[in-house]
Amino acid sequence: RKEVEQDPGPFNVPEGATVAFNCTYSNSASQSFFWYRQDCRKEPKLLMSVYSSGNEDGRFTAQLNRASQYISLLIRDSKLSDSATYLCVVNSRRGGADGLTFGKGTHLIIQP
Amino acid sequence: GAVVSQHPSRVICKSGTSVKIECRSLDFQATTMFWYRQFPKQSLMLMATSNEGSKATYEQGVEKDKFLINHASLTLSTLTVTSAHPEDSSFYICSASSGFSYEQYFGPGTRLTVT
Repeated sequence: RKEVEQDPGPFNVPEGATVAFNCTYSNSASQSFFWYRQDCRKEPKLLMSVYSSGNEDGRFTAQLNRASQYISLLIRDSKLSDSATYLCVVNSRRGGADGLTFGKGTHLIIQP
Repeated sequence: GAVVSQHPSRVICKSGTSVKIECRSLDFQATTMFWYRQFPKQSLMLMATSNEGSKATYEQGVEKDKFLINHASLTLSTLTVTSAHPEDSSFYICSASSGFSYEQYFGPGTRLTVT
């Protein structure tokens, strides 16, 4: 089983719509969770951290369910500029290292 | 704040040669730097973790003698790909952490092509 699993998409969504992505992780000892955004041939950029209580940043809402080992991202009122690959990222301690484990990403295309 | 640079952004080299990639934290001290690699349509994969002044910790399957990592200061880590092969062609990305949180700041990446 992969450590972090995401639906690769692509998700084709009309501008203004609401879209949700899900992600599952296998390591129950994972301590922190993030959503990153990656544009084509660019480095990933942090979109938001994900907290157990759920958190919102403008049009973006992230939720974490530790019991089900499940993370979600909701984007409301989607914009053309939201088109990107969204990476679910988990911090998994391995022998003291704090490297991040990335999902393969979900490709989102916002259509005018 | 939290800017990380990488140099070069793109490099083409011949098989058998070595290539050095630099990663710098420009406005903070990075106690830990990470090196990732991303093949086309694949996820970023952690290669190694380096702490300033100590040996790097390599992930399983990553050859430490082929990918030499040096973290000589709190603002600079280098990755040297030795005896490069075409299958080493990839997008190499570094990230840096100040150690105060789990957050990592990514460099813009280096696209390596080995011919």
